[in-house]
Amino acid sequence: GESVGLHLPTLSVQEGDNSIINCAYSNSASDYFIWYKQESGKGPQFIIDIRSNMDKRQGQRVTVLLNKTVKHLSLQIAATQPGDSAVYFCAEISFHGQNFVFGPGTRLSVLP
Amino acid sequence: EPEVTQTPSHQVTQMGQEVILRCVPISNHLYFYWYRQILGQKVEFLVSFYNNEISEKSEIFDDQFSVERPDGSNFTLKIRSTKLEDSAMYFCASRDQNGIQYFGAGTRLSVL
Repeated sequence: GESVGLHLPTLSVQEGDNSIINCAYSNSASDYFIWYKQESGKGPQFIIDIRSNMDKRQGQRVTVLLNKTVKHLSLQIAATQPGDSAVYFCAEISFHGQNFVFGPGTRLSVLP
Repeated sequence: EPEVTQTPSHQVTQMGQEVILRCVPISNHLYFYWYRQILGQKVEFLVSFYNNEISEKSEIFDDQFSVERPDGSNFTLKIRSTKLEDSAMYFCASRDQNGIQYFGAGTRLSVL
């Protein structure tokens, strides 16, 4: 069936370094993808999204890359800060947002 | 900034009891969702709701579950007879016109 998964369950980076979190998806018909951040005890928080007709989208300190050829999505965080420590989920969404599938999540730990 | 609010933050109940989890979606959103997250696991889709009816539901959303929008602001999830395995975080979300879902902080349900 359709699934969204993550290559790395945990990622530790030094404060100030760049982080790259990866996600693989299987439904090539998905319309767009979202990265969410979930801090302990809180609900998922929207970070950035990308439409299926795009390859790259940049936010303030984040960049999402979409490689449809290999069905791969990545989230790059520049100059990682302690406040970036959280679990990051990718999610794929089909037409009308009715099929919304989360990946299992990657825990990002920022080391001082 | 508008946000999705959920109450209570923690609900403790005995097995077999009925619980109602409450959500107030963002006011101009039209699509509403319930998800659950068992401790340490990924977020799972339960049900989506639009125009006062269920538009999609997962296999988790069996006859013990129901949703309702009793008035113009609340969106509720009812579990008729709770089981131990219903213990989880339950997240409500509402969706904007761009398809992005915004999540509440969740209700932790503990079934004893």
